[in-house]
Amino acid sequence: DIVMTQSPLSLPVTPGEPASISCRSSQSLLYSSGYYFLDWYLQKPGQSPQLLIYLVSNRASGVPDRFSGSGSGTEFTLKISRVEAEDVGVYYCMQALQAPRTFGQGTKVEIE
Amino acid sequence: QVQLQESGPGLVKPSETLSLTCTVSGGFITNYYWSWIRQPPGKKLEYIGYIYYSGSTNYNPSLKSRVTISVDTSQNQFSLKLNSVTAADTAVYYCARLTPLAPVGNDHYHSFDIWGQGTMVTVSS
Repeated sequence: DIVMTQSPLSLPVTPGEPASISCRSSQSLLYSSGYYFLDWYLQKPGQSPQLLIYLVSNRASGVPDRFSGSGSGTEFTLKISRVEAEDVGVYYCMQALQAPRTFGQGTKVEIE
Repeated sequence: QVQLQESGPGLVKPSETLSLTCTVSGGFITNYYWSWIRQPPGKKLEYIGYIYYSGSTNYNPSLKSRVTISVDTSQNQFSLKLNSVTAADTAVYYCARLTPLAPVGNDHYHSFDIWGQGTMVTVSS
């Protein structure tokens, strides 16, 4: 299985400030057509996960543009340009290149 | 707006079979892939498997010998059975829809875009 490793595991943030989460895969997530098969999900407290970003950098429907994704190969990043209080929760990256789909350990984002 | 709702026993005895159903409302089960994902307490999400509305399935190899996912299009439901459970199967179980979000080559890229609220299943005698 492809192993997904996130850092940091805990991220205290200040509202209005930027935040960044890294995700590394144990092998390249490059698909033959030039796409990288990686998603980002956010699990808010007491809720089920919700899709934020797919194919590295595409925001899901309704996701604010303060969220952005980037990366290639085995290194990927989720950035929040200006953190808001509603952004707290656990963020997961997930690879969709190879079965079974696998998730990172999660990064817990909380307000300082 | 499509919604998913898991249902089933919250307590299962060791060695018995865990059975859950996911009911799809606000839309039809046809033309989509439907998945099960679980999250043990304090641990990360784990993909269990998916089923296409036509019945074709894909399972996580780590669970394949114990898992069966089925679909009932007439009831707009799909189900999970996990047999010979142990305490390690204690988790919140989510159902989710795999939706084609973008064309990729001759296929489409699918992500888990709609999730149920999740149901906690404890394996204990």
